Amino acid sequence: EIVLTQSPATLSVFPGERVTLSCRASQDIRNNLAWYQQKPGQAPRLLIYAASARVTGIPARFSGSGSGTEFTLTISSLQSEDFGFYYCQQNNNWPPRITFGPGTTVHI
Amino acid sequence: QLQLVESGGGLVRPGGSLRLSCAASDFPFNDYFMTWVRQAPGKGLEWLSYISADSVDTNYADSVKGRFTISRDNAKNSLYLQMNSLRAEDTALYYCARLVYPYYTMDVWGQGTTVTVSS
Repeated sequence: EIVLTQSPATLSVFPGERVTLSCRASQDIRNNLAWYQQKPGQAPRLLIYAASARVTGIPARFSGSGSGTEFTLTISSLQSEDFGFYYCQQNNNWPPRITFGPGTTVHI
Repeated sequence: QLQLVESGGGLVRPGGSLRLSCAASDFPFNDYFMTWVRQAPGKGLEWLSYISADSVDTNYADSVKGRFTISRDNAKNSLYLQMNSLRAEDTALYYCARLVYPYYTMDVWGQGTTVTVSS
């Protein structure tokens, strides 16, 4: 099973700061990685798929990069509404065995 | 409005069974893979199972394989999760989500239904 590790576990930032979240896979997953945002009491929301493709309607301040085993979600200028939990998710196996990372908590 | 609405959660004793439902609206349900994901209280997300648009292909996480069964009724725009031999560790909020093939990412989510396994 492919294991995803996210760092840092928790992050406290000021509005306007640049934020970089990391996700590392235990083996090569090419670009088969997605990022989700979840706010307390809400369902997750898909932000990025295929490592760097931004979902329609997601603000341009969110960007994804990476391939293989190292991936990054960057928020170029953090807004107050960006607090919450961020999860990476992979789907590289065949047949697909989807796994999520443990998450990063972003505090404003 | 694109929507997924889960139902069927509740309190069940260990060893018991429960069937979750997910009603889809405002998108061509029979064109999409669907999936179930759960979240234990205060914990992260755990993928459980997916089903292809035509029900031919299903897949399960090891934690639920042999106990849970995913199914769908395209005529009713509905997804199901039959859960048997429930354990305390199955206590969670259960989400259904639309799965985007071939990326296997989840672009539409319901609000979830809560399952509590306790004696």
